[in-house]
Amino acid sequence: DVVLTQTPSTLSATIGQSVSISCRSSQSLLDSAGNTYLYWYLQRPGQSPQLLIYLVSNLGSGVPNRFSGSGSGTDFTLKISGVEAEDLGVYYCMQATHAPWTFGGGTKLELK
Amino acid sequence: QVQLQQSGAELAKPGSSVKISCKASGYTFTSYYISWIKQTTGQGLEYIGYINTGSGGTNYNEKFKGKATLTVDKSSSTAFMQLSSLTPDDSAVYYCARWGWYFDYWGQGVMVTVSS
Repeated sequence: DVVLTQTPSTLSATIGQSVSISCRSSQSLLDSAGNTYLYWYLQRPGQSPQLLIYLVSNLGSGVPNRFSGSGSGTDFTLKISGVEAEDLGVYYCMQATHAPWTFGGGTKLELK
Repeated sequence: QVQLQQSGAELAKPGSSVKISCKASGYTFTSYYISWIKQTTGQGLEYIGYINTGSGGTNYNEKFKGKATLTVDKSSSTAFMQLSSLTPDDSAVYYCARWGWYFDYWGQGVMVTVSS
């Protein structure tokens, strides 16, 4: 199975600070058709996960543009440009290029 | 609006089975697959599999073959997951999620507790 390693596991930030989360894959997530099925989700406390980014860098519907995704191959990054209080929770990357689909271990974003 | 409404929490004994449901509304049910995801504190999020809501075809994570069975009732726009031969390791929150090249809507989750 593809292993997704997220760093850091915990991130402390102040409101307005910009932060980045890394997601490294044990295999390239580029498929033979040239697609990269890498996603980012946020799970707020007590809630279900919600989509932030799909196919590496595409913003989900209704997601604020302070979120951005980048990367290729095995290295991917989620950036939040100016953390807001509602951004607190656990962030997960996920891949759907290789079966079985797998998730990273999560990065908890908390207030400093 | 799109909603996935899951059934209530389950308390089950080891060796038994449970069947949880995911009722979809607000969109054409057969236009999207439904996937199931397991969440535990120790293992995080694990993909179980998906069902093609139009054809009933399924795709399972090998780890969950024999454990989970996915079915669908198109007449009620409801997807089901049966978990069999339950052990304490099956205690988790189980989510259904709509798949259309990404999980864009999730159910609220069902907590399954396996205990004697």
